Amino acid sequence: DTEVTQTPKHLVMGMTNKKSLKCEQHMGHRAMYWYKQKAKKPPELMFVYSYEKLSINESVPSRFSPECPNSSLLNLHLHALQPEDSALYLCASSLDRATEAFFGQGTRLTVV
Amino acid sequence: AQSVTQPDIHITVSEGASLELRCNYSYGATPYLFWYVQSPGQGLQLLLKYFSGDTLVQGIKGFEAEFKRSQSSFNLRKPSVHWSDAAEYFCAVGAEIYNFNKFYFGSGTKLNVKP
Repeated sequence: DTEVTQTPKHLVMGMTNKKSLKCEQHMGHRAMYWYKQKAKKPPELMFVYSYEKLSINESVPSRFSPECPNSSLLNLHLHALQPEDSALYLCASSLDRATEAFFGQGTRLTVV
Repeated sequence: AQSVTQPDIHITVSEGASLELRCNYSYGATPYLFWYVQSPGQGLQLLLKYFSGDTLVQGIKGFEAEFKRSQSSFNLRKPSVHWSDAAEYFCAVGAEIYNFNKFYFGSGTKLNVKP
């Protein structure tokens, strides 16, 4: 199993809503990542968890709240988002520092 | 500081023609280098990777890339392009941080394929 599974695939939410994005992998990877990608731009790192501990937060606004409940799961909790937060949110995982990242198919988020 | 430059924003090639996508990086140590491909609205798929050893690496879908340390380059090539290769291509460098990599992506090259 070399998959990173993201749910939902599409999400439309209002600016006052609370929603969560979910990411799951069963490859035994110990690093998991959240990226944000706007149209025609490269992925932009948001958070990195390593061994279930938050290791990198790229100065992301607090309306985005990551959570790593166990080594296979990564969540991104969303609250009070702005329309400019509309983007493709990508989850990725990697085994350790000398390996590639495997990406999920992404969640297309639209904030209305 | 680490950075990746992909000088070509768009490239159009005819089906069956050869392809070369350019990538230059800036990194203090021996880099881990990657090429990823992304179809519209999809995630990134790894084409190939370089960690060490042979500087010419083979990947999936007939792609190859050559690491040239003297030029800080990792260009992607394919001898004969297929229409299904039309996509966005990202070069990336991985910087070691404790027990994971921080990946730095180039701005991407969009490949169009003419029939």
